[in-house]
Amino acid sequence: GAGVSQSPSNKVTEKGKDVELRCDPISGHTALYWYRQSLGQGLEFLIYFQGNSAPDKSGLPSDRFSAERTGGSVSTLTIQRTQQEDSAVYLCASSPRQGNNSPLHFGNGTRLTVT
Amino acid sequence: DQQVKQNSPSLSVQEGRISILNCDYTNSMFDYFLWYKKYPAEGPTFLISISSIKDKNEDGRFTVFLNKSAKHLSLHIVPSQPGDSAVYFCAASAVNRDDKIIFGKGTRLHILP
Repeated sequence: GAGVSQSPSNKVTEKGKDVELRCDPISGHTALYWYRQSLGQGLEFLIYFQGNSAPDKSGLPSDRFSAERTGGSVSTLTIQRTQQEDSAVYLCASSPRQGNNSPLHFGNGTRLTVT
Repeated sequence: DQQVKQNSPSLSVQEGRISILNCDYTNSMFDYFLWYKKYPAEGPTFLISISSIKDKNEDGRFTVFLNKSAKHLSLHIVPSQPGDSAVYFCAASAVNRDDKIIFGKGTRLHILP
């Protein structure tokens, strides 16, 4: 499997709990993105990692959201004290580098439901 | 502040006819534009892109047109096929600034038999 892998595919959690979502990008891809898609909405940018540069966190909706990318590969998106409005599909994408002819390759997402 | 706008939430087109999906943007620094297609329960897949130095890019049944002065791009699909029914996302980036890719809200395309 050479694609972007996300786990879990589905997650149901109680309001107030913390959750961790994992993304395994395509090997060698230096750029990694997290987006989320709420019901009936478009793809909302959350955070962008590019190589060793400081991540662009400008899309994170609150300080309950954080993300790490260890060793330039696997990334984890953490949501603390989840709220019902956090329910969405969280999509991870990677690309070989930022630039023309380097489109994003998406995983199938993690569907998060906060009850 | 929505930098990439897809003003039509949905579009229905007869099979065999041309589908035209529209996208507007506000950031004049954008220099790279992409279209993605998404089926339910799957991640978006890349369709076609265009650099700001061009005004047209064609790949099989898919053509993207860019009008920089109007900050407008469109995706043409001809002829439309049943498998084209999906949500289409327009996206843009300021590549020369190593900036992130911003997506629109998407347009759901229904191909009618």
